[in-house]
Amino acid sequence: DAGVTQSPTHLIKTRGQQVTLRCSPKSGHDTVSWYQQALGQGPQFIFQYYEEEERQRGNFPDRFSGHQFPNYSSELNVNALLLGDSALYLCASSDYRGRQPQHFGDGTRLSIL
Amino acid sequence: SQQGEEDPQALSIQEGENATMNCSYKTSINNLQWYRQNSGRGLVHLILIRSNEREKHSGRLRVTLDTSKKSSSLLITASRAADTASYFCATVFNAGNNRKLIWGLGTSLAVNP
Repeated sequence: DAGVTQSPTHLIKTRGQQVTLRCSPKSGHDTVSWYQQALGQGPQFIFQYYEEEERQRGNFPDRFSGHQFPNYSSELNVNALLLGDSALYLCASSDYRGRQPQHFGDGTRLSIL
Repeated sequence: SQQGEEDPQALSIQEGENATMNCSYKTSINNLQWYRQNSGRGLVHLILIRSNEREKHSGRLRVTLDTSKKSSSLLITASRAADTASYFCATVFNAGNNRKLIWGLGTSLAVNP
C-alpha cells in the first residue's frame, strides 16, 4: 500500500518563475493538505482540498494556488516566486473529517535563487 | 494566534534517559496529535489522543492530555540515538463546519550515544 508520494523531491528555480508540485495521497484518503516548512520551523498550513475544491486556506497570498483531481491527487502551484518561498513543501492526506491522523509525504525541497 | 507551543525548543540527552516534551494550546480541541520528523523528511504520526482521554501509550511513548490546563506531554522512555528528530504537536479543533489542525513549532531532540 503506497503512502503519500510527492514529486519532484528537489527543485531549483529563480525569482519570478512559476512552479508546480505534485502529490498522490495514500490509498483510501480523499483529502489533501499542503504545508510550507521553512528550515527550523514548524509546518505552515497553505490550503486543503476535498472533492476537488479548496476547503480551507491558511495565510498565504494568491500566488499560491492548487488543484485536486478526480483521483484525489493534487497540485500546488506557486507563481512569481520569491526568495522567501524557499522551503520544504509537504503534502498530507487524510479523511475529510480529520478523525484519523494525516499521512505525510517526504516533501519537495524548493530552492529559489 | 491559536498555534500550539512546544517546550523545550531543544533537548539534548544521553541514550537511555527519558525525554519529556510539552505542548500547550489555546482553544478547545477534538484531539491532539504528536508527530516526529527526521531531518529533511516528512512528518510521521506517533500518537493521537482524543479530548476525552487522559493518557495513551505506544511502545516507549506515553502521551498525557490535561484539557483543563490545555496542555499535553510526550514522554519517550529509554531513549535511543535513533530517536533524534524534531517532535511536533498538532491540535485539531472545530472551526465552523471545518476541522482545523494547528501545528506547534516543535522540539528538537538530540539523543547522544
